[in-house]
Amino acid sequence: KAGVTQTPRYLIKTRGQQVTLSCSPISGHRSVSWYQQTPGQGLQFLFEYFSETQRNKGNFPGRFSGRQFSNSRSEMNVSTLELGDSALYLCASSSIAGTSTGELFFGEGSRLTVL
Amino acid sequence: GENVEQHPSTLSVQEGDSAVIKCTYSDSASNYFPWYKQELGKGPQLIIDIRSNVGEKKDQRIAVTLNKTAKHFSLHITETQPEDSAVYFCAASYSGGGADGLTFGKGTHLIIQP
Repeated sequence: KAGVTQTPRYLIKTRGQQVTLSCSPISGHRSVSWYQQTPGQGLQFLFEYFSETQRNKGNFPGRFSGRQFSNSRSEMNVSTLELGDSALYLCASSSIAGTSTGELFFGEGSRLTVL
Repeated sequence: GENVEQHPSTLSVQEGDSAVIKCTYSDSASNYFPWYKQELGKGPQLIIDIRSNVGEKKDQRIAVTLNKTAKHFSLHITETQPEDSAVYFCAASYSGGGADGLTFGKGTHLIIQP
């Protein structure tokens, strides 16, 4: 059974640009969550989607957005990039809704560098 | 919102010895406490979790204890092996519809010395 797939794995952008990251969950999983990982702040929750609906959202500015498609694949977008957005963005899938109800299966992440 | 503190940030132990990582949480409503292991270049992987109606849970060499009154929980790894070297994260959340997802500690870099 294939794991969570994130693309691209690495990307470099400049300040002011925007970026779209993609996540394909494990087959059959309908919940997708996104986390930002940085050395200073650790792992921080961005948002969770279930059946194409955003269920929860973390404390991030509106520049961070996401969506989920009918096949459960998810994308997140960051507009007007800032240097502080440089991070590893992790996607996690789960078979049930709610990040506290069971195991999250994480992808290997997309490493974004903003210059 | 929830705040999770994790200690120590780095832990070095001799192979075969035990390792203990401790976490405290702030929100008494939190009722789910997972532990994730992250190896270099990979995403975190769940190794064990505990819910607030249980005080201790064990899975082979790994155990987790929870003290709800003191709001702290700990990960215990016995008979450590080289493959245990990784970064370990504790987390807390509330399964009653919380809006914050999992709140993670800052992580512990566990180093197993041969």
